[in-house]
Amino acid sequence: DIQMTQSPASLSASLGETVTIECRASEDIYSNLAWYQQKPGNSPQLLIYDANSLADGVPSRFSGSGSGTQYSLKINSLQSEDVASYFCQQYNNYPYTFGAGTKLELK
Amino acid sequence: QIQLVQSGPELKKPGESVKISCKASGYTFTDYAMHWVKQVPGKGLKWMGWINTYTGKPTYADDFKGRFVFSLEASASTANLQISNLKNEDTANVFCASTDGGYGDWFAYWGQGTLVTVSS
Repeated sequence: DIQMTQSPASLSASLGETVTIECRASEDIYSNLAWYQQKPGNSPQLLIYDANSLADGVPSRFSGSGSGTQYSLKINSLQSEDVASYFCQQYNNYPYTFGAGTKLELK
Repeated sequence: QIQLVQSGPELKKPGESVKISCKASGYTFTDYAMHWVKQVPGKGLKWMGWINTYTGKPTYADDFKGRFVFSLEASASTANLQISNLKNEDTANVFCASTDGGYGDWFAYWGQGTLVTVSS
């Protein structure tokens, strides 16, 4: 199975700040990577697919980058509504696997 | 708009069975694959497998072979997950999630989740 190592596990940032979340795959996943946002009590919502494509309706302050085994999600100009947990997911090989998540809080 | 609506929370005893439904609307049901994802409360996400909504062929992750069955009621645009011989470790929120017709399996649409609690 492909292991997805996500960091940091938790993050505290101020409004307006830029934050970056990293995800490292145990092998090359050829940009077959998605990022999701999950707010407490809700289901996950797709943010990014194919490593850097913005899903419909997602604010442009979210962006994804990376290739091979290293990927990142960047949030520019942090807003209060961005407080959530974030997960990466690889869909290159079965079984599809997720990172353990990053909990983003406001400082 | 596309919606996936799941059945309500379930409280079961060990050894019992449960069936969770996921009704899709807003698109042609057979166009998009349906996946199932498990989340233990407060923890991460685990992919359980998927079902081809056109052919009905299921694919299970190794940890979900044997007691788990994916099925369809295509005429009702509904995907089902049945879990038999429930164990305490099956306690989780279970989501259905569909793709959006792209070539990759990102999960564009999610159900609201069904909380399954297994307790004696």
